[in-house]
Amino acid sequence: AQKVTQAQTEISVVEKEDVTLDCVYETRDTTYYLFWYKQPPSGELVFLIRRNSFDEQNEISGRYSWNFQKSTSSFNFTITASQVVDSAVYFCALSENNTDKLIFGTGTRLQVFP
Amino acid sequence: NAGVTQTPKFRILKIGQSMTLQCTQDMNHNYMYWYRQDPGMGLKLIYYSVGAGITDKGEVPNGYNVSRSTTEDFPLRLELAAPSQTSVYFCASSYYRAVDTQYFGPGTRLTVL
Repeated sequence: AQKVTQAQTEISVVEKEDVTLDCVYETRDTTYYLFWYKQPPSGELVFLIRRNSFDEQNEISGRYSWNFQKSTSSFNFTITASQVVDSAVYFCALSENNTDKLIFGTGTRLQVFP
Repeated sequence: NAGVTQTPKFRILKIGQSMTLQCTQDMNHNYMYWYRQDPGMGLKLIYYSVGAGITDKGEVPNGYNVSRSTTEDFPLRLELAAPSQTSVYFCASSYYRAVDTQYFGPGTRLTVL
């Protein structure tokens, strides 16, 4: 069965600190996709990244980076030099190949203080 | 492109009332989804559709109905509203299956009193 665990319920940091949001997943499939979404205080869900299970290269996009490790079933998200605008709830999600369902973790609320 | 639009943004219902949440996408996506988000929780799939005329249940379908008569529209019907249906409802769409990126609407905040 598919499962996504985001053990960190809430993280607070001061601006310019680096912060890592953890995501651990469970799947029996060898082909699957992992996602991160951001939900700012305004409430909408913003797509950040999609990664398939065959691509373990780390990805960097500006201050955002993602570390995908199949050996530990983790897909962690790091924000470098955090800013107040990064304050949001971040969701990790998993979809197995040949399914029509996206399974979300419970989210991590990140608060960045000035 | 407007993307995925949802109406209304907010609604308060009394127990036993019914309503329809509207969802429209203009990206010509085949797949559409309805989720609910309860406080402090992730999103749970209510219903989804793989194309016009085809719908299927997700994790939490009880108390809801859907239809998909066009590619663009995927309304969610609540019959006999209950306090347990108080939640934020999100509609999403993707071109292909759930392995494809889903794009979300702004959400509808529903309160049942």
